[in-house]
Amino acid sequence: ETGVTQTPRHLVMGMTNKKSLKCEQHLGHNAMYWYKQSAKKPLELMFVYSLEERVENNSVPSRFSPECPNSSHLFLHLHTLQPEDSALYLCASSQHRGENTEAFFGQGTRLTVV
Amino acid sequence: AQSVAQPEDQVNVAEGNPLTVKCTYSVSGNPYLFWYVQYPNRGLQFLLKYITGDNLVKGSYGFEAEFNKSQTSFHLKKPSALVSDSALYFCAVRSYNTDKLIFGTGTRLQVFP
Repeated sequence: ETGVTQTPRHLVMGMTNKKSLKCEQHLGHNAMYWYKQSAKKPLELMFVYSLEERVENNSVPSRFSPECPNSSHLFLHLHTLQPEDSALYLCASSQHRGENTEAFFGQGTRLTVV
Repeated sequence: AQSVAQPEDQVNVAEGNPLTVKCTYSVSGNPYLFWYVQYPNRGLQFLLKYITGDNLVKGSYGFEAEFNKSQTSFHLKKPSALVSDSALYFCAVRSYNTDKLIFGTGTRLQVFP
């Protein structure tokens, strides 16, 4: 248990569906991340939120929409996805600055787009 | 731009032998360097980090890593491998003044009995 919880653990959705992934941390961290892990590109950084502001958007298609309502919660809203979006989506959190900046990861959401 | 290279897709080692998993990096300014391990169907687990100070850092499960600034490397090592060490290992880097944590492509470690 890392202190970062992701729900759901598994999700199957059609290309016309809208769904959301949720991430929650109770570690007192103030930076949160979304990563995509697939066989072709092992760990792609998608979004970074620091102090609740988005500081990084790594050329992610607009069908992925992040939301960070507070420092403990991070969402990834999904709509009109493509089959190639099937992957493991990992959330992580860390301290914003300083020496204790290692990231802690959730277990991931295994997404399958059909 | 930050980047991390893990030149080996897979490393095979016999149980009881020493292991090394290689990592080189590129970053502006002082690097913060990390190693993570991933077991099947799990998220990433933090192993160790280099921030400043002693170039040899020790982490979980008997792993250690050596920071070499001149070679921009941060290789992961363990004196005696266990079969249970078999997993996917990721090296990561961030610059001290950003929140952007960049990972390498991962190295699969296979320890044979």
